[in-house]
Amino acid sequence: QSVLTQPPSASGIPGQSVTISCSGSSSNIGSNSVDWYQQFPGAAPRLLFYPNNQRASGVPDRFSGSKSGTSASLAISGLQSEDEADYYCAAWDVRLNGYVFGAGTKVTVL
Amino acid sequence: EVQLVQSGGGFLKPGESLRLSCVLSGVTYSDAWMSWVRQAPGKGLEWLGRIKSKGSGGTIDYAAPVRGRFTISRDDSKNTLFLQMNSLKTEDTAVYYCTWVEKVPSTMSSWGQGTLVTVSS
Repeated sequence: QSVLTQPPSASGIPGQSVTISCSGSSSNIGSNSVDWYQQFPGAAPRLLFYPNNQRASGVPDRFSGSKSGTSASLAISGLQSEDEADYYCAAWDVRLNGYVFGAGTKVTVL
Repeated sequence: EVQLVQSGGGFLKPGESLRLSCVLSGVTYSDAWMSWVRQAPGKGLEWLGRIKSKGSGGTIDYAAPVRGRFTISRDDSKNTLFLQMNSLKTEDTAVYYCTWVEKVPSTMSSWGQGTLVTVSS
């Protein structure tokens, strides 16, 4: 059971928008910034956003992140086939004194 | 360009030990906070621990499942991060990644290529 809760899957047709939610608590998302990582099969994860939703290098502006209270969201607009990947949210948890990941959301482009 | 190059990994039996290494280049290693993350086959990402730079106190934090069995250390003279894994269990089978924590306390902007550790009798 992951500390952060994400839907296991999300899908959309090319050009559509997809939003992935990440739900936590006051000890993680409620206290710290949320990080989002993208992972393609067989590859290492890559950071999508720095704290305060600043996109990492090379991340298209179709990707956006937001946070409210103890939840966060990753939105992909204008979905493209190359966006098909696993997406993980993560945050530092002050109660656990550790970094916690969501279980990941597999995005499928139909 | 920031690069992390990992070495180590392999096939081991339960109870054995293994040390993984990770060399960071492209940034001042002695100022870097570093982490280890693993991913079991077909599963999600699991944070194992983080070591701060000596200038930040050199504190090491571990995830509960590996505390006491795994040890993170660093050799700043060699720009190298280590993960010593003892008393390995079959459930430790995973791809292990080292990461550079660019934005403290935990945002990992660069990852190693990953190294597979298989524990099986």
